[in-house]
Formats: sequence, C-alpha cells, structure tokens
Amino acid sequence: KAGVTQTPRYLIKTRGQQVTLSCSPISGHRSVSWYQQTPGQGLQFLFEYFSETQRNKGNFPGRFSGRQFSNSRSEMNVSTLELGDSALYLCASSPTGGTSGSSDEQYFGPGTRLTVT
Amino acid sequence: KNQVEQSPQSLIILEGKNCTLQCNYTVSPFSNLRWYKQDTGRGPVSLTIMTFSENTKSNGRYTATLDADTKQSSLHITASQLSDSASYICVVSRYGNNRLAFGKGNQVVVIP
Repeated sequence: KAGVTQTPRYLIKTRGQQVTLSCSPISGHRSVSWYQQTPGQGLQFLFEYFSETQRNKGNFPGRFSGRQFSNSRSEMNVSTLELGDSALYLCASSPTGGTSGSSDEQYFGPGTRLTVT
Repeated sequence: KNQVEQSPQSLIILEGKNCTLQCNYTVSPFSNLRWYKQDTGRGPVSLTIMTFSENTKSNGRYTATLDADTKQSSLHITASQLSDSASYICVVSRYGNNRLAFGKGNQVVVIP
C-alpha cells in the first residue's frame, strides 16, 4: 500500500497570504489528523477529520481550517499568514482511531515545510 | 506545564552503546502511550504502542517500558547504530475525551 502523501513538500509564502495544504491518506483509512511541528513547541494537534466531519480540534485560531472529502483526502487552509506559522505541517492517517484514544496506529506523511517571510 | 515531559532533551552516544530515554506524564485517565522515531525532514514513525496492562514491548533493538502507577515510560536502544540518530517522541493518549499529549522529543545523535 502507498503511504500517506502530502503536497506540496515545501512552500514559501509572505505574511498576509493564505495557503492550502493537501494530504492523501493510506487507502482505506478514514481518519486524518493534522499537526504543526516547530522546534520550540514540538508537535501540536490541529484537528482530526473522520468521514468528512471534524471530530476533534486543537487550540489554534480560526485562521486554521480544514476539510475532508468523500475519498478521505484532506486539505488544511491557513489564512492571513503570520511569521509564527512557519513550521512543518504533518498529517497522519489511521483506519478509525486518529485522536480517539484507541490503539489504532497512526501513519504520518513526510510533511509540508511552510516558510512565511 | 506540558503534560508529557521527556529527558534528556538531547544526547550523544557512541555507536554500539546502549541508551535509555525517559518520558514522564500527567495525563489522566490513561489510555495508551506511544513512542515515535522521527528522522530529520521526515514524518514520525511508530515504534511501540502500550496500553495500561502492558509493562514492556519490543521492536527490534528498541524496548519500551511502562509503569502506569508512577506514570513513567522509558525507551531503551540497544547496540545503537548510526541510523538511530533521530528525535524520539513520546505521545500519551487520554481515555475518554480523545486527546493526545505530545512530548517535545529526545534528540539522539549516534557518532562512530
């Protein structure tokens, strides 16, 4: 099976712009979670989607949003970019669990490196 | 205060030597604890997942232990190899409200 794929891998944007990142989960996986990773804060949970519905949300401002399509592919959008949004954005897929607290395995993609200048 | 604390923050070890990484957590009620390995520039890869009733779990040269009473876990790397150079992240799942708490990682550098 192909792994989790994320596009683009690298992105450079300027402050005030918006950006859309894409994640294709492993075939058959219905849960997709998004994370922001920075050197200072480590991994932080953004949100989780399951069957096109947001099932869980972290403590990020409303500028961060996402959605999931019927084929389980997911996108996240960040509007009005700030310098502090520079980070590695990771998505992870799992059959059902995601952040549900189950022991479902989560499989991470390679991430999208976003740089905001 | 972070609910998952890892130590040491970073360490350098000689190839072939063993090392142990620590993870202390305050998450309650507890569901499971995971260790991930993250190579530079790549996404994390799961090493082990342990539930409340499991004390030890191995994955090749990686052995994780869990003491749910003291809320402590460790990851032991045996006979380290250069490819073990990575960040090791401890993740604890809370039972019931579907939340994961992440440690900031242990940065391991293995030198020849």
